[in-house]
Amino acid sequence: GAVVSQHPSRVICKSGTSVKIECRSLDFQATTMFWYRQFPKQSLMLMATSNEGSKATYEQGVEKDKFLINHASLTLSTLTVTSAHPEDSSFYICSARRPGQGIGLAGGYNEQFFGPGTRLTVL
Amino acid sequence: TQLLEQSPQFLSIQEGENLTVYCNSSSVFSSLQWYRQEPGEGPVLLVTVVTGGEVKKLKRLTFQFGDARKDSSLHITAAQPGDTGLYLCAAKKSGGSYIPTFGRGTSLIVHP
Repeated sequence: GAVVSQHPSRVICKSGTSVKIECRSLDFQATTMFWYRQFPKQSLMLMATSNEGSKATYEQGVEKDKFLINHASLTLSTLTVTSAHPEDSSFYICSARRPGQGIGLAGGYNEQFFGPGTRLTVL
Repeated sequence: TQLLEQSPQFLSIQEGENLTVYCNSSSVFSSLQWYRQEPGEGPVLLVTVVTGGEVKKLKRLTFQFGDARKDSSLHITAAQPGDTGLYLCAAKKSGGSYIPTFGRGTSLIVHP
């Protein structure tokens, strides 16, 4: 499968600071990336769709001024949590969409490939 | 309401048992994916099903897409502790823009 990296894997910060998380697709170009938030033992909650060269599309209830997304190239999207508060502590996961069709057990069909996640703890 | 209803939500079984996880909806999907996620890691794609009635096998895992492309199942034969994790189904509605929808997930624990 395709490789998506995420950095940092873990970050602890003080309340009021900003944290930037990077998501990179390492072996394919991703015009679309997604940012998710996940609470323990729960499913993924889509926060926003990151589109290369254009503004991100945010899901209802997600503050775009608080969660800044920049998709400056076909292989990099960043999520910045501004003025972080303890309630922002969570597991943040990005995914990159690989367009087109392919063959094999898990090939093509606009599948998403996920990064390893970033554990954010705000003190 | 959840577009994709996944059941059961939790499953705790002994090594060697069989299990089935279900992903159901009233919507028709052009494709459906199954992922497995281990604690502290991102989900890993297991399979994509596209054709109604399709069956795909990945070692001890068997995936089936419903004839009407509204539901899917994941069957694990002779579960092993290494199968422990959160299993997620995800799908895109037919004709819709590519915004994936995830089920709530099935948390599986296989005890040795």
